[in-house]
Amino acid sequence: DIQMTQSPSSLSASVGGRVIITCRASQSISGYLNWYVQKPGKAPKLLIYGASSLHSGVPSRFRGSGSGTDFTLTISSLQPQDFATYYCQQSNSFPETFGQGTKVEIK
Amino acid sequence: EVQLVQSGAEVKKPGESLKISCKGSGYSFIDYWIGWVRQMPGKGLEWMGIIYPGDSDTRYSPSFQGQVTISADKSISTAYLEWSSLKASDTAMYYCARRTARFYDSIGYYSFDYWGQGTLVTVSS
Repeated sequence: DIQMTQSPSSLSASVGGRVIITCRASQSISGYLNWYVQKPGKAPKLLIYGASSLHSGVPSRFRGSGSGTDFTLTISSLQPQDFATYYCQQSNSFPETFGQGTKVEIK
Repeated sequence: EVQLVQSGAEVKKPGESLKISCKGSGYSFIDYWIGWVRQMPGKGLEWMGIIYPGDSDTRYSPSFQGQVTISADKSISTAYLEWSSLKASDTAMYYCARRTARFYDSIGYYSFDYWGQGTLVTVSS
């Protein structure tokens, strides 16, 4: 299985601030990387697919980048509704493993 | 509107069997993979497996192979996740999700674009 490692596991940030979450794959996954967001008690939602393409309806303050083994999710101008847990997922090969998650909390 | 509606919460005893469901609507059910994802209490997401309802092609994570059975009935646009003998460690929220491919330069990028609301399974004696 491909291991996905996110960092940090949690972070505190202010409304209006910028957040960067990284995701590293244990082997090259080209651009087969997705990002999801999950709020407490809710199902995850897709944010970004193919490393950098925004899913329909996702605000432009979310940006994904990277290829190979190293990827980042950047949230510029953090909004109150962005405080949640973020997961990366590789879709290069089965099983399509997830990272362990990064919890973004209010500073 | 694409929707995945899952069956309700279940409370079971160890050793019992269980089958939970995920009904798709608003799209052609047979043309998209459906996946199952486990989330244990306070933990992250785990990819369990996927099924293609059009031909019932199924792929499992090695971690879940032999522990669960994924199936689908395309006549009623419903996918299933089944246990033959539950354990306390199966206590978790289970999500189904539609797996969609988007193609760029003939390369398919797969992701889970629509999710069910989740089914909480509690296994306790």
